[in-house]
Formats: sequence, C-alpha cells, structure tokens
Amino acid sequence: DQQVKQNSPSLSVQEGRISILNCDYTNSMFDYFLWYKKYPAEGPTFLISISSIKDKNEDGRFTVFLNKSAKHLSLHIVPSQPGDSAVYFCAAVSGGGADGLTFGKGTHLIIQP
Amino acid sequence: EADIYQTPRYLVIGTGKKITLECSQTMGHDKMYWYQQDPGMELHLIHYSYGVNSTEKGDLSSESTVSRIRTEHFPLTLESARPSHTSQYLCASSEGTLLNEKLFFGSGTQLSVL
Repeated sequence: DQQVKQNSPSLSVQEGRISILNCDYTNSMFDYFLWYKKYPAEGPTFLISISSIKDKNEDGRFTVFLNKSAKHLSLHIVPSQPGDSAVYFCAAVSGGGADGLTFGKGTHLIIQP
Repeated sequence: EADIYQTPRYLVIGTGKKITLECSQTMGHDKMYWYQQDPGMELHLIHYSYGVNSTEKGDLSSESTVSRIRTEHFPLTLESARPSHTSQYLCASSEGTLLNEKLFFGSGTQLSVL
C-alpha cells in the first residue's frame, strides 16, 4: 500500500504562472518531508524540505506547505520557468530516517512557453 | 554540490551474467542507499548501510547483494542477471543527522538485461 501518493502523473503550466504540485501521505509517523527534482537519465536532486513542526517553508521561488491534519503537502513554484520542467518526487521519513525515504510516484511538470 | 558517482551510466547485458554496479561518495557520509526505479513509478529502497560492515535490506525485495568495506564505496552485485532486473538503479548517501535526511543521489545506472 502506497504511503506517499502523488495523484497527478503530469501537470502542464504556462511559463511565469504558479505551479502547484500536491502530495498526500497515510503514515502519521512521518515527521519530515522532502521534495526532489529529477531530469531524465539523472539522479534526483534535493529541492526543499519541511519538518512536521512547521506548516510552511520557503526558499526562493519554492515554497512547501504542510497540512498535518489533512496529511497533505504541496510545493508551489512561482514564477514557473522552463528549467523547472522535470519530474518532482515527494518523499517522507519518520524517526530520523534510519531506513531511508519513502517516495511517491512523481509528477511530471511541463512548463509551456 | 554532491559528490557521489555511479558507474556505469548505462549497461546492456545478457541473461545469466554477473554484474556489479559501482557507487562512490567523497563526502564522508556514513549512510548509503540503493534505490530502484521504473519509469512512472516511485523509488523503492532495496539496500542501505549505516556505515562500514553494515548492510540492511530495504522495503523492496531484491536478488542483489551489497557490501560496505569502505565508507566511500557501496557496490551492488547481481550474481545472475535476468530481464526482470531491467531498471534504473540509484545510489544515494546522507549525513544521517536526525531530521536531516537529505539524500544526495548519483546519476544512476540504467540496466537492461536481454
């Protein structure tokens, strides 16, 4: 059973507009969440993270929001740029992450000119 | 900038061959991981290591084996490759600090078994 769900396999957004990528989780023990970006034939690269004690974390054009009661997080990218076109993975970890991260299936973001 | 390297980037091999996928990191990280990913699917953890001489199996059952003789090196071996092993294999490492599980990934090895 998937513990981290990204229900949108793909998302198309116009350049300059806001991109919103969503992620839901089922394991209430998760206490740290991360977003990774992946280009084809490359490994994922870390983008931004958030601890469960916060509800928002911002880094430049990227903001992650966490709603613990809904077990939902979202990544906002504004403004969207062509280089943002990639697959975005949501990941979660519990208890310090000794056993690694649990990933979602990813959302393919396409930024249209 | 992450310093974690995987070789080869691409490998096409026949059924029954023994293969070793190499992974090295120069960051001195204790924790290292192997993930397997198929297109459109999540990354599945197949092996991890807390440090030298430590190896554990991950969530996804795998016929591969790993070793950790040196901190910087975490190779993955398939004794007899099969077409079902065709996938992308991603190696990662982390500092392992509590609540700071930012993983650094290598570029991956795309394995095709014919």
